[in-house]
Amino acid sequence: AQSVTQPDIHITVSEGASLELRCNYSYGATPYLFWYVQSPGQGLQLLLKYFSGDTLVQGIKGFEAEFKRSQSSFNLRKPSVHWSDAAEYFCAVGAGNTPLVFGKGTRLSVIA
Amino acid sequence: DTAVSQTPKYLVTQMGNDKSIKCEQNLGHDTMYWYKQDSKKFLKIMFSYNNKELIINETVPNRFSPKSPDKAHLNLHINSLELGDSAVYFCASSQGRTGGVSPLHFGNGTRLTVT
Repeated sequence: AQSVTQPDIHITVSEGASLELRCNYSYGATPYLFWYVQSPGQGLQLLLKYFSGDTLVQGIKGFEAEFKRSQSSFNLRKPSVHWSDAAEYFCAVGAGNTPLVFGKGTRLSVIA
Repeated sequence: DTAVSQTPKYLVTQMGNDKSIKCEQNLGHDTMYWYKQDSKKFLKIMFSYNNKELIINETVPNRFSPKSPDKAHLNLHINSLELGDSAVYFCASSQGRTGGVSPLHFGNGTRLTVT
């Protein structure tokens, strides 16, 4: 079965600084990878997904993620963080007929 | 227009009571889900229905019973509520059969507090 690890529970960045959130997965074949964002009191919103092809995928709100098979990673990046990006971020891995498995999330705080 | 809507948003009740949470999606998706998010924000799937057919039933106490009257609705009924049931429950839907491939669309959650 697949699994996901998000090593960072909480990250704080300054507004305007760059951001990278880490995600490592475990799965024997090529996985389907997702990043979701959860703002306080809200449901999860899809930021981007990777199925195949170009390993650098662009998402909404200026986010991108890069799939690195050799490192089993799918890290999320943003070149310049805005205060409105403060939220909980979840990496998820899917495969075939099994349900999506989520990581435990990384809470992003943005300071002025 | 709200794509996946669930009610109520907040639910406070006492131990031993029975309660229901309703979910509706207007995306035309075939598959709907219930996820539980605990106090540490960990998301775990509970159930999944595809065209009113139960396809995923994780290790969940049988006090929890999902019901899908049609493919646009998936309700969650909980009997004999316990303190440990306190959590945020999310409804979601997807076009695919399992959500392992198709992106999930989430509702805004129902915060259940059992006292």
